[in-house]
Amino acid sequence: AQKITQTQPGMFVQEKEAVTLDCTYDTSDQSYGLFWYKQPSSGEMIFLIYQGSYDEQNATEGRYSLNFQKARKSANLVISASQLGDSAMYFCAMRPISNFGNEKLTFGTGTRLTIIP
Amino acid sequence: DTGVSQDPRHKITKRGQNVTFRCDPISEHNRLYWYRQTLGQGPEFLTYFQNEAQLEKSRLLSDRFSAERPKGSFSTLEIQRTEQGDSAMYLCASSLPTSLSEQYFGPGTRLTVT
Repeated sequence: AQKITQTQPGMFVQEKEAVTLDCTYDTSDQSYGLFWYKQPSSGEMIFLIYQGSYDEQNATEGRYSLNFQKARKSANLVISASQLGDSAMYFCAMRPISNFGNEKLTFGTGTRLTIIP
Repeated sequence: DTGVSQDPRHKITKRGQNVTFRCDPISEHNRLYWYRQTLGQGPEFLTYFQNEAQLEKSRLLSDRFSAERPKGSFSTLEIQRTEQGDSAMYLCASSLPTSLSEQYFGPGTRLTVT
């Protein structure tokens, strides 16, 4: 079984500042993937960034980076130079890596990020 | 490539009625997932298809729920005898059949049972 914990229900950040959203996980799988999704008020889940458990380097995608600490089982999302459009719910998720099985995602409860002008 | 689409976007129904939702995945994606998201929670897995085969169902999927993917393309999710507890956002996602592919989500169908 897999579990994702997001301990920050909400965060307020000044525009242009960097923000870190926390995520810890638990799994018995040897190989797994960690994801961050953004969900604006419209409801659609937007994929942001992916980190494989076997990746030695932290993933980066534009202003998004994933601070992966395998020993601590944490996968924090860092958003640099925050913008007003970053205001949304953010979900951390994980799934097993398998070519043959159901790779269903397990999500955390999310963090609501509000960017203040 | 128009992305994953879902229809309808919103559905209001009275308790006891049946409802059906449709999901059209990205055309070359053979894996399709249904998730349910209640207020203040993250999405929870409901069921999974590989082509037309339904390979796993969550215990959240009671006997009132049924999902199909008859030709391995679009999928339908039907809820019979709806209850107020069924009110939620129903999300569909699709992916390629490789271990490194991410799931692309549709806009969701928001169901309200009155």
